[in-house]
Amino acid sequence: GESVGLHLPTLSVQEGDNSIINCAYSNSASDYFIWYKQESGKGPQFIIDIRSNMDKRQGQRVTVLLNKTVKHLSLQIAATQPGDSAVYFCAENNLFTSGTYKYIFGTGTRLKVLA
Amino acid sequence: GAVVSQHPSRVICKSGTSVKIECRSLDFQATTMFWYRQFPKQSLMLMATSNEGSKATYEQGVEKDKFLINHASLTLSTLTVTSAHPEDSSFYICSASRMGTNEKLFFGSGTQLSVL
Repeated sequence: GESVGLHLPTLSVQEGDNSIINCAYSNSASDYFIWYKQESGKGPQFIIDIRSNMDKRQGQRVTVLLNKTVKHLSLQIAATQPGDSAVYFCAENNLFTSGTYKYIFGTGTRLKVLA
Repeated sequence: GAVVSQHPSRVICKSGTSVKIECRSLDFQATTMFWYRQFPKQSLMLMATSNEGSKATYEQGVEKDKFLINHASLTLSTLTVTSAHPEDSSFYICSASRMGTNEKLFFGSGTQLSVL
């Protein structure tokens, strides 16, 4: 079935360095994507989103890149800080002809920031 | 804006009892809310889509009689785990988007259910 997957289950990054978290999606019809950050015992926190008519979007210290040709999504975090340590998920919006929709989540990547 | 409140944050119950979890959109209206389940160190698994004023849509493999969903208003959806068993122990999370859009899905803080 359709799925959104991540290449790296765990990513360790030195504090101050940039982090890149990757995600592959399989539904070429998906037109909207979100990156979430989840800390232990909490609900996912919205980080940044991107529509399929864009290939790049920047936020505060974060950038999302979308490559529709290879169905790949990435989240770049600049100057990674200890507070960035968490699990990151990408989510893909499946919109149906009925007008209903749902979000499918990737497997997640744990980001560990090393002091 | 876009705050989703979920209550309770943690509940411990005995096997056979029922547990109700509430999800409220505090500063927006949502015709659609989603309920997810998450096991430790795993991703979010969509359980069902809650639709205001109509029946919920359940994902394959999710028992609708086990997980009762009621979306009585544009700001409230409830999930009731009926006749809970230890294998129902999990982290349950609700989410919602503003009415009129399917974008910017926001999540509640989750409910950790432990069934003894």
